[in-house]
Amino acid sequence: SQTIHQWPATLVQPVGSPLSLECTVEGTSNPNLYWYRQAAGRGLQLLFYSVGIGQISSEVPQNLSASRPQDRQFILSSKKLLLSDSGFYLCAWSDYRVWTEAFFGQGTRLTVV
Amino acid sequence: GDSVTQMEGPVTLSEEAFLTINCTYTATGYPSLFWYVQYPGEGLQLLLKATKADDKGSNKGFEATYRKETTSFHLEKGSVQVSDSAVYFCALRPQGGSEKLVFGKGTKLTVNP
Repeated sequence: SQTIHQWPATLVQPVGSPLSLECTVEGTSNPNLYWYRQAAGRGLQLLFYSVGIGQISSEVPQNLSASRPQDRQFILSSKKLLLSDSGFYLCAWSDYRVWTEAFFGQGTRLTVV
Repeated sequence: GDSVTQMEGPVTLSEEAFLTINCTYTATGYPSLFWYVQYPGEGLQLLLKATKADDKGSNKGFEATYRKETTSFHLEKGSVQVSDSAVYFCALRPQGGSEKLVFGKGTKLTVNP
């Protein structure tokens, strides 16, 4: 069966510091991969998605970037965090052959101080 | 563009009460429709889905019917429990496949004993 791993679960970082969040999927090949952000008390905002290695689509201009160095690995990065980057970050995957649901990781709670 | 509209929350119910969370959508053709649930501090879990008109998705006592004529996918449960307290998201994937899921803003449900 397929599983998705996302880490770390919790992160506290100072303003101006770099960020790297990692997500990996097991049990499937060539998944579609997604990064979402959920600000406190608000809905989901799609940040990036990827349909293949090295293919990244950005939905919202910001100081974040994403990379997909391997088929089942998706990384969210920032060179310098802002206070407004605080939130709950969720990685998700979906099967490229069946255009239906997405499956989510457990999320990373990022607090920028 | 495609969109999902959920009823405004929060919703507070007593245990064993009947639950309805309204969801309507805007999309061309026949999108796939989903309900996700998010428990505090966790990622989203797929609760149920329907991929064609008049389909009924069901899981854990929750049900939702895909109504093309009213472009709706309302979530219902006959008798809620304290453990159902969570945030519920309605979502769609456009017909013909799309890399992106479109989410509603979420409805927070609190069930009191």
